[in-house]
Amino acid sequence: QVQLVESGGGVVQPGGSLRLSCAASGFTFSNYAMHWVRQAPGKGLEWVTFIRYDGSDKYYADSVKGRFTVSRDNSKNTLYLQMNSLRHEDTAVYYCARWKVEEKNFYYYYMDVWGKGTAVTVSS
Amino acid sequence: DIQMTQSPSSLSASVGDRVTITCRASQSISNYLNWYQHKPGSAPNLLIYAASTLQSGVPSRFSGGGSGTDFTLTINSLQPEDFATYYCQHSSRTPFTFGPGTKVAIK
Repeated sequence: QVQLVESGGGVVQPGGSLRLSCAASGFTFSNYAMHWVRQAPGKGLEWVTFIRYDGSDKYYADSVKGRFTVSRDNSKNTLYLQMNSLRHEDTAVYYCARWKVEEKNFYYYYMDVWGKGTAVTVSS
Repeated sequence: DIQMTQSPSSLSASVGDRVTITCRASQSISNYLNWYQHKPGSAPNLLIYAASTLQSGVPSRFSGGGSGTDFTLTINSLQPEDFATYYCQHSSRTPFTFGPGTKVAIK
């Protein structure tokens, strides 16, 4: 079945680095753009970053720009998030999500498949 | 950047009630608006896209409406499994901002 599974979360000190992975299965990964979304404790969902299906375009939230890098390996059906210079406020559950496009006179986009998330804690 | 707001931030309702949540965009987004349901410990779940199109498999008691800057999510006859937090999100352009969420709790 269609599935996304995140991994790589853990506890890291402020200023440290971590790389998250998102393994896709059950669909043609290389056909879809992907996102990372996070949820800090007690907070709402926050969009983090987007990467096109072929990796040609990437966009970031201002809160992570210059510190986080999104990438993908379509041969491995895997999405990555390299997180550097981590801060306490980066503590969150990180979700990957598939970006589906549907044509209904116009093109509509939505996150139709999500992983269950991986937890990142930035603490000394 | 487009900012999203939601009201109320939380509400209490009983099983069988009709519930309406409002989402507002800081500028017109046509109908590039999605709604998600999120329960603690689970993955978020897409309910509605393009403001009013029900995602496959989502119960018909959920409905969405609106365009431009003002949108609504309505749950008719609230069920026990509907107690969760609901988020709107625009898909007009980056950043794809989410609203702050509306928590629907049991009265």
